[in-house]
Amino acid sequence: QSVLTQPPSASGTPGQSVTISCSGGSSNIGSNTVSWYQQLPGTAPKLLIFINNQRPSGVPDRFSGSKSGTSASLAISGLQSDDEADFYCAAWDDSLNGYVFGTGTKVTVL
Amino acid sequence: EVQLVESGGGLVMPGGSLRLSCAASGFSFSSYTMNWVRQAPGKGLEWVSLISRGSDNIYYADSVKGRFTISRDNDKESLYLQMDSLRAEDTAVYYCARQYKFFDYWGQGVLVTVSS
Repeated sequence: QSVLTQPPSASGTPGQSVTISCSGGSSNIGSNTVSWYQQLPGTAPKLLIFINNQRPSGVPDRFSGSKSGTSASLAISGLQSDDEADFYCAAWDDSLNGYVFGTGTKVTVL
Repeated sequence: EVQLVESGGGLVMPGGSLRLSCAASGFSFSSYTMNWVRQAPGKGLEWVSLISRGSDNIYYADSVKGRFTISRDNDKESLYLQMDSLRAEDTAVYYCARQYKFFDYWGQGVLVTVSS
C-alpha cells in the first residue's frame, strides 16, 4: 500500500514543462529525504533525483526536484518524446520502518 | 560497471516456495545495504525488504513479514530472498536494488508468478 500520493497522469507537448507532486506525511517526507525514479516501458526503474534535489551524473538538468514540508515535486522542463515514462517518488518511513513509494505518475508527451 | 543480475524466478503454486538470487559485480558489495523491490503486473513499485551491510539490520514490508527472508553472502557478493507461503498477490517482477539512502542501481528484474 502506497502512502505517498501522486497524480496518476501528467502530459504536455514537446518543449513544455510538467510538474509532478508527491504528498506524504511527517513520518516519511517530513523527516527524510526524497528520491525520484523514472521507469521507461518494459525496463527497470532508474534513479532520477536523490536527496530531494540532486541529480546523478548523466541526468539532464531539465529534471529538477524540490521538497517542502511533507510534499515533494519533480519538474520536467523542455519536455521530449523520450521522457514518456512512469515516475515514482520514494522516501524512508520512520513509522513503518521501511521505504514507501509514491503511487506513480504516467507522463505522456502529446 | 555496477551490475545486479537477478535469477530464480518462475511459476509456483500458491503455498509454495521460491528463492531469488541477485549477483552483484562492479562495486564493493559488502559496503552497501541492499533491497528487494517488487512490481505487480501493471501496478506501481512496492518495497519488500532491506538488509544492511553486515546483515545486522533487516526490515520487511508488512505484506511479506513472516513469509519472506532476506539474506546475503558478502563473500559470494550475492543477495537472496527466500519466499515461502506464496500467494497470488505476490506475483510480480522482483528487483534487487543497491541503497545509499536511495536506490542508485537496480537489476533488470525477475518475474515470479504464483498460480495454480
